[in-house]
Amino acid sequence: AQSVAQPEDQVNVAEGNPLTVKCTYSVSGNPYLFWYVQYPNRGLQFLLKYITGDNLVKGSYGFEAEFNKSQTSFHLKKPSALVSDSALYFCAVRDWRDSNYQLIWGAGTKLIIKP
Amino acid sequence: NAGVMQNPRHLVRRRGQEARLRCSPVKGHSHVYWYRQLPEEGLKFMVYLQKENIIDESGMPKERFSAEFPKEGPSILRIQQVVRGDSAAYFCASSPGTAASGEQYFGPGTRLTVT
Repeated sequence: AQSVAQPEDQVNVAEGNPLTVKCTYSVSGNPYLFWYVQYPNRGLQFLLKYITGDNLVKGSYGFEAEFNKSQTSFHLKKPSALVSDSALYFCAVRDWRDSNYQLIWGAGTKLIIKP
Repeated sequence: NAGVMQNPRHLVRRRGQEARLRCSPVKGHSHVYWYRQLPEEGLKFMVYLQKENIIDESGMPKERFSAEFPKEGPSILRIQQVVRGDSAAYFCASSPGTAASGEQYFGPGTRLTVT
């Protein structure tokens, strides 16, 4: 069965420090992987995706994520956190063979950046 | 280009009334997904529709809830005889169905309050 795990409910980082939000996945085939961000009282916004190619993917707002096939991980990173990065982050996965186009979602990680 | 539109943004209903939530997908998108989100929680998949067809409704309660995506017009999520536990944010997402990645685009959500 396909699944996504975001092991941390909350991550606290000081402004200016690097941040990492973790995501691991399980699919039977090759994965398509996504990160979305949700600001308070807003819908989800797409940040970045991995389909194929370079394992390091760059996305919006200075975020990047590294696909690691052997560890089945797709951690979200940013070199220097901003207070405005505080939000809820969701990881999602799809098996490339799945013609249903559905995404499997993680439970979300609340990122808090302290000044 | 207009993104996913949802209306109303806020909806207040008394217990026992009906709630109708509308979603207009991105122009040209033929796949629509509905999700529910409780405060400080993750997304819960409800239903996945293509034009005039329900593809997967495994996340939707068997009673009182229904969804449609007609050939013309928006997708509708209908909740009959609402109860306080239905209070939540309801998000709609769409995808073109032709993009291999399956990336979804989200609307701003409808916040339902049942009094």
